[in-house]
Amino acid sequence: EAGVAQSPRYKIIEKRQSVAFWCNPISGHATLYWYQQILGQGPKLLIQFQNNGVVDDSQLPKDRFSAERLKGVDSTLKIQPAKLEDSAVYLCASSLTGGTVTEAFFGQGTRLTVV
Amino acid sequence: AQTVTQSQPEMSVQEAETVTLSCTYDTSESDYYLFWYKQPPSRQMILVIRQEAYKQQNATENRFSVNFQKAAKSFSLKISDSQLGDAAMYFCASGSNYKLTFGKGTLLTVNP
Repeated sequence: EAGVAQSPRYKIIEKRQSVAFWCNPISGHATLYWYQQILGQGPKLLIQFQNNGVVDDSQLPKDRFSAERLKGVDSTLKIQPAKLEDSAVYLCASSLTGGTVTEAFFGQGTRLTVV
Repeated sequence: AQTVTQSQPEMSVQEAETVTLSCTYDTSESDYYLFWYKQPPSRQMILVIRQEAYKQQNATENRFSVNFQKAAKSFSLKISDSQLGDAAMYFCASGSNYKLTFGKGTLLTVNP
């Protein structure tokens, strides 16, 4: 089965610019996660979708970050405007079910550098 | 709320030896899973092993096994016969009630 696809793999932007990341989860997976992983740290959940509804976005900086999951499949995460501290790897993951998470599959991530 | 704590930022092991990575967690849920993920420099998170909380038997996957102590909320990973390819960041995670929460990770170095 195809894995979680993310693009781009790398992105370099200047502060105050905008950037968008794309994620295509594994077919049939209802739950989609976006994590931010700063160098040397564990992944921090930004937003979680169950189908096309938001389950948890409590740690999403809503003044600059936004995310959507149209039709409960693909998802995009946008940052506008970017700050230096947004430099991180952005990981997308999906799982078959929500509730009790039995397994999550991850994409290769997008490394964002803000200069 | 779930929390996952990994108290060892770095560990090292000699090739072919055994190493144990520690993890403690806290959750108010009765139904949950625990995971160990490996993250090599390529960045992709790879599931190493998982444990259902309702199972008393410790999970094993080839050279990887866990010591799950439910009462102590402890979930350690044992890697036997360590190989150079085991070098990576290892993350402990807890999944329940729609949340998948990670620890800060342990960087494992394997010395030839």
